[in-house]
Amino acid sequence: DTGVSQDPRHKITKRGQNVTFRCDPISEHNRLYWYRQTLGQGPEFLTYFQNEAQLEKSRLLSDRFSAERPKGSFSTLEIQRTEQGDSAMYLCASSLGQGFGYTFGSGTRLTVV
Amino acid sequence: KNEVEQSPQNLTAQEGEFITINCSYSVGISALHWLQQHPGGGIVSLFMLSSGKKKHGRLIATINIQEKHSSLHITASHPRDSAVYICAPSWGDMRFGAGTRLTVKP
Repeated sequence: DTGVSQDPRHKITKRGQNVTFRCDPISEHNRLYWYRQTLGQGPEFLTYFQNEAQLEKSRLLSDRFSAERPKGSFSTLEIQRTEQGDSAMYLCASSLGQGFGYTFGSGTRLTVV
Repeated sequence: KNEVEQSPQNLTAQEGEFITINCSYSVGISALHWLQQHPGGGIVSLFMLSSGKKKHGRLIATINIQEKHSSLHITASHPRDSAVYICAPSWGDMRFGAGTRLTVKP
């Protein structure tokens, strides 16, 4: 297992387009988290899953954002009708569960032009 | 509301100095993580602790659950320690402090 994988590494899209990112966690990790990080800021929590169940969503996750983890393995984060303010690094992390360490992916850098 | 405060926000040190970064949080937690992020790089987990103290090489992390406070210490700092250090208390999910940008000059 090579850790948490995120795809793509970089995405440039035009405003108004939809984008989808994928995260493959460490295989035995039950929890999967999505964060967003803008330049010079710390990561902001977006949402997390326990297996396939989405347990919490930040109010940062507007109705243009949706995340899924259909089989409790990989997860996707979709942004519809992208805006320039969506430009950020989108980070995924996974863990065995509450109280266990986290492993982060390298992130997907989104640029909306 | 779960809040995290880190201090200082920015820190410049000379090589060899002892570094301390502080983190305070407002609500009881199950665990606290210290993370490191190099410029343009991914996030690396340094420590996860729920009580006491942990040491890894030149890094030491302590936590006082009653006072809701944690510290990260770096002994004999080196320019390669230059990075952003982030405190992240965990209440089920993990919330991040704003980070401390450390620059160690040779």
